[in-house]
Amino acid sequence: AQTVTQSQPEMSVQEAETVTLSCTYDTSESNYYLFWYKQPPSRQMILVIRQEAYKQQNATENRFSVNFQKAAKSFSLKISDSQLGDTAMYFCAFMKPPSNSGYALNFGKGTSLLVTP
Amino acid sequence: GAVVSQHPSRVICKSGTSVKIECRSLDFQATTMFWYRQFPKQSLMLMATSNEGSKATYEQGVEKDKFLINHASLTLSTLTVTSAHPEDSSFYICSAREIGSGYGSPLHFGNGTRLTVT
Repeated sequence: AQTVTQSQPEMSVQEAETVTLSCTYDTSESNYYLFWYKQPPSRQMILVIRQEAYKQQNATENRFSVNFQKAAKSFSLKISDSQLGDTAMYFCAFMKPPSNSGYALNFGKGTSLLVTP
Repeated sequence: GAVVSQHPSRVICKSGTSVKIECRSLDFQATTMFWYRQFPKQSLMLMATSNEGSKATYEQGVEKDKFLINHASLTLSTLTVTSAHPEDSSFYICSAREIGSGYGSPLHFGNGTRLTVT
């Protein structure tokens, strides 16, 4: 089974600063997909970024980027120029390979990020 | 695009009754829908995977007879919590995989349903 570990239950960052959220995972698969999702107080799950394990290049989406270390099974999320609207729960997720679960996502426990003025 | 509508957003029911939650893909067809449960300040736990026209696949520890899932069409999956008890109170979220999307395509999430059993 693939496990996803987020070791930081809560983090805080000042507006305009940079913060990094950590995530490690365990799998025996060689190709897979990793995701970061954001869940603001509205509880809507919002895709932040996606990384394919076969791609060496770290994914980037505007102020969000990842540091993907395949050998170390590490997938951290960096948020640059933090904004108040970034306050949310952030979940790291592993997409299960094709099987009876049909590409379901396996989530970590989440990191609650608070951006302060 | 890729909107998933979940209804109701909040429901309160009495212990012993059943409640149905609907998950609809509004502008795409979904061969597979997933049902998650989220306790306060905790992660999303996969309950079951439903495929259109076939029986749902439940995760270990999830009671099939308590959480009935039906995926009758390519745009609708329902989760029925039968004989609800206070411990079933939780936040339930559905997500959908668009037909034809391959491995690695992002899933689309509904807004969730807050179930409170009194």
